[in-house]
Amino acid sequence: KQEVTQIPAALSVPEGENLVLNCSFTDSAIYNLQWFRQDPGKGLTSLLLIQSSQREQTSGRLNASLDKSSGRSTLYIAASQPGDSATYLCAVRPLGDDKIIFGKGTRLHILP
Amino acid sequence: ETGVTQTPRHLVMGMTNKKSLKCEQHLGHNAMYWYKQSAKKPLELMFVYSLEERVENNSVPSRFSPECPNSSHLFLHLHTLQPEDSALYLCASSQGVDFTDTQYFGPGTRLTVL
Repeated sequence: KQEVTQIPAALSVPEGENLVLNCSFTDSAIYNLQWFRQDPGKGLTSLLLIQSSQREQTSGRLNASLDKSSGRSTLYIAASQPGDSATYLCAVRPLGDDKIIFGKGTRLHILP
Repeated sequence: ETGVTQTPRHLVMGMTNKKSLKCEQHLGHNAMYWYKQSAKKPLELMFVYSLEERVENNSVPSRFSPECPNSSHLFLHLHTLQPEDSALYLCASSQGVDFTDTQYFGPGTRLTVL
């Protein structure tokens, strides 16, 4: 059974710092992996989608990597800003399965 | 109006009430989803619709009844809910149904069952 774990559950860093959020999954047989952002009281915003054949995806200050064999993904945020404060969710789609399995998220707080 | 919208944003209901959640997408997508987000739990996929046909039902209790009258609208009918059903219910849509495409989420409906 596929399980997705995100560590840490919460993180506070000063503005301007680079940071890394971690995601691990138990079964490497995945179709793709997504990173989402959720602001308080709002829905999810998709940040990056990495197909299983890809190693990384970049969008602006965000870079997501995927190491399928080790069951790990990281979301790197460069030059963090207070507006980056949100909960970041990692989700995988297992091979041969029409569903997405989410982690519990990492609550990120960027200190001004 | 663009994107994915959900109404109502907040709903409080008793265990004997019947209510419905509404989702509308203005993106021309073919797939729509209902998710449940409970406190301290991972996001859970409830239902998937592709071209108005249900393709996924993740063992959701029958007190939750989805309806997809067309590719732009998705409803979640609620009846005789339990307090543990209190959660944030999120709707999403994507171009295709096989999860290769990015999903776009609505703001969610915060449901409280008394």
